[in-house]
Amino acid sequence: GAVVSQHPSWVICKSGTSVKIECRSLDFQATTMFWYRQFPKQSLMLMATSNEGSKATYEQGVEKDKFLINHASLTLSTLTVTSAHPEDSSFYICSVSLGETYEQYFGPGTRLTVT
Amino acid sequence: SQQGEEDPQALSIQEGENATMNCSYKTSINNLQWYRQNSGRGLVHLILIRSNEREKHSGRLRVTLDTSKKSSSLLITASRAADTASYFCATDAQGTYKYIFGTGTRLKVLA
Repeated sequence: GAVVSQHPSWVICKSGTSVKIECRSLDFQATTMFWYRQFPKQSLMLMATSNEGSKATYEQGVEKDKFLINHASLTLSTLTVTSAHPEDSSFYICSVSLGETYEQYFGPGTRLTVT
Repeated sequence: SQQGEEDPQALSIQEGENATMNCSYKTSINNLQWYRQNSGRGLVHLILIRSNEREKHSGRLRVTLDTSKKSSSLLITASRAADTASYFCATDAQGTYKYIFGTGTRLKVLA
């Protein structure tokens, strides 16, 4: 499988500030990465599909101007939560698709707390 | 959306017993995957089963898929306390690389 890392693993920020979360594919060149959000004791909700070299595809109900995604290289995708509010506090997880096999491997997640 | 539903939502068993979790989904799929998540952690990929497969094994795990019923099950045999976690199924959306997750089953194995 693929090894995926995320940074930071947790972050606390003040309301109104922006936070950038990095997702790295350490041993696999990923043309496609995914960003999920998970609230406590709930399932994962797909936010967007990140495509290397092109614009991300957002799921219905996810504000693209609030959750900026950049996939500038085959090993790095970033999610920036802009003007964060307490309701954005959540566990954000990225994943890498292995393409033909359709298997997805997940990063360890980033816990965001907005105060 | 094509979110799967899992049952039971929570399951508590004694160490050594078998645990069975079920997942139902709504539309046709190409693949279904099972994941484990320990509290506050990322997801660990367990098994991928394709729509033309009926059963797969990996160690103490057995996954079945019934496309006619749009359901899958995950069986963990001889459970251990370390199996305590949440288990999710995920189904692909219309043959894309996108996966939609089920509601999850919280498994607790008592030592």
